[in-house]
Amino acid sequence: AQKITQTQPGMFVQEKEAVTLDCTYDTSDPSYGLFWYKQPSSGEMIFLIYQGSYDQQNATEGRYSLNFQKARKSANLVISASQLGDSAMYFCAMREPYNAGNMLTFGGGTRLMVKP
Amino acid sequence: GAVVSQHPSWVICKSGTSVKIECRSLDFQATTMFWYRQFPKQSLMLMATSNEGSKATYEQGVEKDKFLINHASLTLSTLTVTSAHPEDSSFYICSAPRTSGGPGTQYFGPGTRLLVL
Repeated sequence: AQKITQTQPGMFVQEKEAVTLDCTYDTSDPSYGLFWYKQPSSGEMIFLIYQGSYDQQNATEGRYSLNFQKARKSANLVISASQLGDSAMYFCAMREPYNAGNMLTFGGGTRLMVKP
Repeated sequence: GAVVSQHPSWVICKSGTSVKIECRSLDFQATTMFWYRQFPKQSLMLMATSNEGSKATYEQGVEKDKFLINHASLTLSTLTVTSAHPEDSSFYICSAPRTSGGPGTQYFGPGTRLLVL
């Protein structure tokens, strides 16, 4: 069964506007971590933001914020004031504690394209 | 700066040859490293977990005799693709969790693009 689902294979956003990238997850464990990574065309995986399942507040990192809705099992990434350099693939990932050594399971990704 | 390095970044080889990819943690020790494979326009798929001092753990469907993993030290893991074939052409990425950096800290290497002719 799919553990991490990203339903938007591709998205366009106008420069300077905000965009939300969707991510839903499936786990029966109460303790887990959720991550968002950016992958530009170079291939490197750039860590953006992390949300722990017990964190009381939604995580924020600069222009990135995570809309964490635990009951709905969703962890959407919000990018404010989009920039041309934000064009990339974005992956949502989950770490469950029973996985040995912090292994991550990735969603299928969303390609974001920022229009000038 | 980068805290996990991979070498080489690019490799082109003939079918039937073996290719070794190195993954190094630069300023921390990693008892565990992960190897992922990413085909074009797809997500990262975990291949195996590399464990220092013990055998690697392979995911279902990954041939352990084809993808040899050796966690030689607390800062180095190697992935050897033996008898490579064109279908092994892919982007290989390693990662290493850094427990001292907090619960969310996991560093990825820059990746290695393998093209088998």
